[in-house]
Amino acid sequence: AQSVTQPDIHITVSEGASLELRCNYSYGATPYLFWYVQSPGQGLQLLLKYFSGDTLVQGIKGFEAEFKRSQSSFNLRKPSVHWSDAAEYFCAVGAAAAGNKLTFGGGTRVLVKP
Amino acid sequence: EAGVAQSPRYKIIEKRQSVAFWCNPISGHATLYWYQQILGQGPKLLIQFQNNGVVDDSQLPKDRFSAERLKGVDSTLKIQPAKLEDSAVYLCASSLALRGLAGLGSTDTQYFGPGTRLTVL
Repeated sequence: AQSVTQPDIHITVSEGASLELRCNYSYGATPYLFWYVQSPGQGLQLLLKYFSGDTLVQGIKGFEAEFKRSQSSFNLRKPSVHWSDAAEYFCAVGAAAAGNKLTFGGGTRVLVKP
Repeated sequence: EAGVAQSPRYKIIEKRQSVAFWCNPISGHATLYWYQQILGQGPKLLIQFQNNGVVDDSQLPKDRFSAERLKGVDSTLKIQPAKLEDSAVYLCASSLALRGLAGLGSTDTQYFGPGTRLTVL
């Protein structure tokens, strides 16, 4: 069975500073990996996804993530954070062999200081 | 392109009452998912439909939860009777892929609706 761990429950970052959110997954086959963002009272919005190919993936809103198979990680990064990036971020692993089922991590809440 | 629609956005009920949520997926999407998101946790899959058939309902508490997608388009999720621990956000998502047609080894993106926040008192 697949699982996802997001070790950081909360992260506080100053506006303009860089941000890195950690994600570790467990899955026996090649994973399909996703990062979603959820603003208060909103649904989940896809930031980026990794299916295959280049391990550095570019997403929307200036985010990128790097797939590292040897570390079972898919960390999300942004070079310069904006106040509007304050939200909750979820990493998820998809299992194509299991009908595209997504398993989510517990999320990381990002607070942005002015 | 219109996104996934859900209603109502908020619902407050007392325990042992029943409640129903509605979801309309993105047009043309074959697969529909219902997730439960308890406060402070990531979403957990309750049930997955492909067209009007159930693909996975292993996490659905079938003694009180039911879901249908009769015409392969919109879907309803019902809880009867509700318990306090059912308080959560119920998210609906849809994706394009038709399993079998796309084949094992493929996957595609799930698009989420705004969710229904349920409070059980």
